[in-house]
Amino acid sequence: EVQLVESGGGLVQPGGSLRLSCVASGFTFSSYWMGWVRQAPGKGLEWVADINKDGSGKYYVDSVKGRFTISRDNAKDSVYLQMNSLRAEDTAVYYCARDPEGGLTFDYWGQGNLVTVSS
Amino acid sequence: QSALTQPASVSGSPGQSITISCSGTTSDIGGYNFVSWFQQHPGKAPKLIIYDVSDRPSGVSSRFSGSKSGNTASLTISGLQAEDEADYYCNSYTTTTLYVFGTGTKVTVL
Repeated sequence: EVQLVESGGGLVQPGGSLRLSCVASGFTFSSYWMGWVRQAPGKGLEWVADINKDGSGKYYVDSVKGRFTISRDNAKDSVYLQMNSLRAEDTAVYYCARDPEGGLTFDYWGQGNLVTVSS
Repeated sequence: QSALTQPASVSGSPGQSITISCSGTTSDIGGYNFVSWFQQHPGKAPKLIIYDVSDRPSGVSSRFSGSKSGNTASLTISGLQAEDEADYYCNSYTTTTLYVFGTGTKVTVL
């Protein structure tokens, strides 16, 4: 059974940093792209970042470029989202999702992790 | 990259069919057959119900079907059931960033 479990969310002050983690199980992690999608309270889904199978290719939505960094450790079946210079508008539930081939779809999702940016 | 455009809400009675539209551009929906649809119940993670415009993952009801014409994709739910009441989001590959989601549609079963 495919499982994606996120951790690392919480309350952080504006300008602060936070690192989200997502541990995968039930599939060969290194054979898939992985992505992060967020959803602000009461709002729609927004794609945030994607990383290819070996971590050499990284893609971001414009609003997080230069502030967020996606990475992965295939030995640990894990993908990460390092979030710096956080803003109030980054407040959202962040979902980790499996991407079969980069740009096609997200076929499995984690349960989501809330990040709140507030003073 | 602006979000794909969906109607804010669509409603129907049990047993009826409804269609949700998703409008984009030639840089996303119109240029590629990488359109997906997701169903999201309150407080839950999104669930993939359609990929590659019209393919259904294993286990998804055949009552869900997808199509595309030009720059607009559509999701049809036939034989509407109470459990179909949820939010629905389209998503497409795009040449500008990689992915773009739709604005979302709330489906109400009357």
